[in-house]
Amino acid sequence: EAQVTQNPRYLITVTGKKLTVTCSQNMNHEYMSWYRQDPGLGLRQIYYSMNVEVTDKGDVPEGYKVSRKEKRNFPLILESPSPNQTSLYFCASSFWRAGSLETQYFGPGTRLLVL
Amino acid sequence: GESVGLHLPTLSVQEGDNSIINCAYSNSASDYFIWYKQESGKGPQFIIDIRSNMDKRQGQRVTVLLNKTVKHLSLQIAATQPGDSAVYFCAENPPGTYKYIFGTGTRLKVLA
Repeated sequence: EAQVTQNPRYLITVTGKKLTVTCSQNMNHEYMSWYRQDPGLGLRQIYYSMNVEVTDKGDVPEGYKVSRKEKRNFPLILESPSPNQTSLYFCASSFWRAGSLETQYFGPGTRLLVL
Repeated sequence: GESVGLHLPTLSVQEGDNSIINCAYSNSASDYFIWYKQESGKGPQFIIDIRSNMDKRQGQRVTVLLNKTVKHLSLQIAATQPGDSAVYFCAENPPGTYKYIFGTGTRLKVLA
């Protein structure tokens, strides 16, 4: 089954304790992206990657890091989490067709609480 | 900055009626638009998309209309069913960018 998976689905942590949220897709998509979703603000892009070893900042990259060493994986790293990073996080993937980016396929989400 | 917005935060419709969800986008040069459905506890799910060279596109029970003159996008759901209850939001992909801009969403409630 074609899908985007994220782990963990739920996470409670404390301020300053480094954490990683994994994302994996099995559709051979070149493009992957991370979003956070907050009430009243919609989905905001954190980082995206156009292909292996190619990443770029989205609209709200502060406090986050990413890496893209393999095509299928795109982990999100919070080096020193803070309470304002409490949110619902989504990973997504997409592909190029005729030079245009197609729709994104989203993972199930990771709900993070930073105390 | 650029934004994608929705006119109605909550829409309640009777089961069996048609639903219309609206979206305004700000970048007149955007050339790709997508509607997503998000059910509680799940990730956004693709419904239908449309490119700027079209005014209308139909899927199964859904139709997307694009009015480039007024930068307006709408999603029509025919014969709305209880399973259609969810948050719906639109997204645009401005040309020359590798990102999407999402609206905040409209909650659709289907009344029995």
